Amino acid sequence: GDSVTQMEGPVTLSEEAFLTINCTYTATGYPSLFWYVQYPGEGLQLLLKATKADDKGSNKGFEATYRKETTSFHLEKGSVQVSDSAVYFCALSDHTGKLIFGQGTTLQVKP
Amino acid sequence: DAGVIQSPRHEVTEMGQEVTLRCKPISGHDYLFWYRQTMMRGLELLIYFNNNVPIDDSGMPEDRFSAKMPNASFSTLKIQPSEPRDSAVYFCASRLRGLPQQYFGPGTRLTVT
Repeated sequence: GDSVTQMEGPVTLSEEAFLTINCTYTATGYPSLFWYVQYPGEGLQLLLKATKADDKGSNKGFEATYRKETTSFHLEKGSVQVSDSAVYFCALSDHTGKLIFGQGTTLQVKP
Repeated sequence: DAGVIQSPRHEVTEMGQEVTLRCKPISGHDYLFWYRQTMMRGLELLIYFNNNVPIDDSGMPEDRFSAKMPNASFSTLKIQPSEPRDSAVYFCASRLRGLPQQYFGPGTRLTVT
């Protein structure tokens, strides 16, 4: 079945460092891909999405490019802030419309 | 616009008691999803509805769990009887047909003692 694999956390960075969180997927067909962010004590918020190959999703300085050839959707940000500390989930939308989530990656940004 | 609304935000109950969690989806959305989040198992889809009809309940852990959607603006997830292993955060999410992204509520943190 469809699946999503994220890099294990926690990821600890200093403020203004470059961030990459790796995400790869296995799916039949051409799923839509997402990054969601969960701040402590809150629900999941949609961070960005891409619906077809080579699409780049971007929001709040975060970017991810839908790479069909490598089945990847890595999340990047050029300069992280303390306020970016959260859990990040990669997900795909399968052919039924259900979301399949990765296990989540915790990001800690230190001042 | 109001997002997905869930109540209560926190629930503490004793083993054996009935628990009812509530969700109001975003107005106009025709899909509704119930998820459970735990440290051990991550995010699990329990059940989802389309136009108030349950489509896939294969994630419901056992007969103690039931979900209903009596109308387009309200859904409940009931656990009867509750057990300590049901302790988790339960999320509701909704989606508009034709768009793949789901919008999540703030969750209900359930503690069963």
